Amino acid sequence: RKEVEQDPGPFNVPEGATVAFNCTYSNSASQSFFWYRQDCRKEPKLLMSVYSSGNEDGRFTAQLNRASQYISLLIRDSKLSDSATYLCVVNIQDYKLSFGAGTTVTVRA
Amino acid sequence: DTGVSQDPRHKITKRGQNVTFRCDPISEHNRLYWYRQTLGQGPEFLTYFQNEAQLEKSRLLSDRFSAERPKGSFSTLEIQRTEQGDSAMYLCASSLAGSSNTGELFFGEGSRLTVL
Repeated sequence: RKEVEQDPGPFNVPEGATVAFNCTYSNSASQSFFWYRQDCRKEPKLLMSVYSSGNEDGRFTAQLNRASQYISLLIRDSKLSDSATYLCVVNIQDYKLSFGAGTTVTVRA
Repeated sequence: DTGVSQDPRHKITKRGQNVTFRCDPISEHNRLYWYRQTLGQGPEFLTYFQNEAQLEKSRLLSDRFSAERPKGSFSTLEIQRTEQGDSAMYLCASSLAGSSNTGELFFGEGSRLTVL
């Protein structure tokens, strides 16, 4: 079983729409959780951390459900520039991040 | 540019040849990571260094792979006797010790390897 599993999508949404997706993780001892963004043929970059109480960063909202071991990301008022692959990332050990395969989002005009 | 830099950006080689990739991390970062990414997959952890010490190697890293960080600054990843299955993007990342818990790894643009 993979450490982090994501729905690969693609999610194809119009500008202004809300899109949400999640991932599940297998290691219940995982301590930290993140969403990274990866544009086509570019390197991954940290989008936001995910906190137990849920957190927002502008149009992005992340939620964590430790009991069910899933993490979600919601994007409101989608922009064309939000088109990317969103990687769910779990901190397994102090130094080691485990990445999901990514969820592809395409925002169309 | 003070980010993570990798060289070469692209490498095409024939099966059986050796290749070496170099990574220069952000200068004050003492942790350096190598990840591998194939199409449609997320980055997979290969190995990591804290300063010059290589502290973990993934079982993905066969004995044909070797990584070094001799002075705790730049790192090299060498693949000997390349196989077609080695074709991938090799990503280097760096961070400060402790800050890895914040999830803030800074990635380079990667070295894309194609083995013919």
